[in-house]
Amino acid sequence: GDSVTQMEGPVTLSEEAFLTINCTYTATGYPSLFWYVQYPGEGLQLLLKATKADDKGSNKGFEATYRKETTSFHLEKGSVQVSDSAVYFCAHGTDKLIFGTGTRLQVFP
Amino acid sequence: IAGITQAPTSQILAAGRRMTLRCTQDMRHNAMYWYRQDLGLGLRLIHYSNTAGTTGKGEVPDGYSVSRANTDDFPLTLASAVPSQTSVYFCASSNRDRGLDTQYFGPGTRLTVL
Repeated sequence: GDSVTQMEGPVTLSEEAFLTINCTYTATGYPSLFWYVQYPGEGLQLLLKATKADDKGSNKGFEATYRKETTSFHLEKGSVQVSDSAVYFCAHGTDKLIFGTGTRLQVFP
Repeated sequence: IAGITQAPTSQILAAGRRMTLRCTQDMRHNAMYWYRQDLGLGLRLIHYSNTAGTTGKGEVPDGYSVSRANTDDFPLTLASAVPSQTSVYFCASSNRDRGLDTQYFGPGTRLTVL
């Protein structure tokens, strides 16, 4: 069945380090792909999305490219900040969203 | 604009009791969803509604029921709570006019069933 696999966390980085959070998916059809972020004590909010192959979603310095050939949607940021500390969820869907288990990012000064 | 509101913020409930979690959105979105979030399992869809008057079952519907009498409200009811329903519950909404679109989430309800 359809699923999303994310790298397990926590990911611990120093401020200004490069970030990659891996995400791969299995799906029938051509799903839209999403990254959501959850800050402590809050609900999820959309970080970025891509709706077709080779699309690049970007927001707040984060980027992810829809790679159909590798069924991946890895999240990257060139220089993380302490304020980026949160849990990041990869998700995909054609009709309903299927979420990964989340990856906790901890950024230290 | 409030977006999505949920109530209560948190609740401790005795097993066997009935509980309704409330969700209201003011964005006139046609679709609404209920998820539960458990450590190591991510978010799992409980029930959804694509439009007022219709509902559907998600991945983990057992023990839960929903109704969608109007566009704005989507309450989730636990008829007889059990400890395995201890979780954080999130309501979300989206505009489905163009297929699957961005979902907007409420702040969550933390439920503990003893």
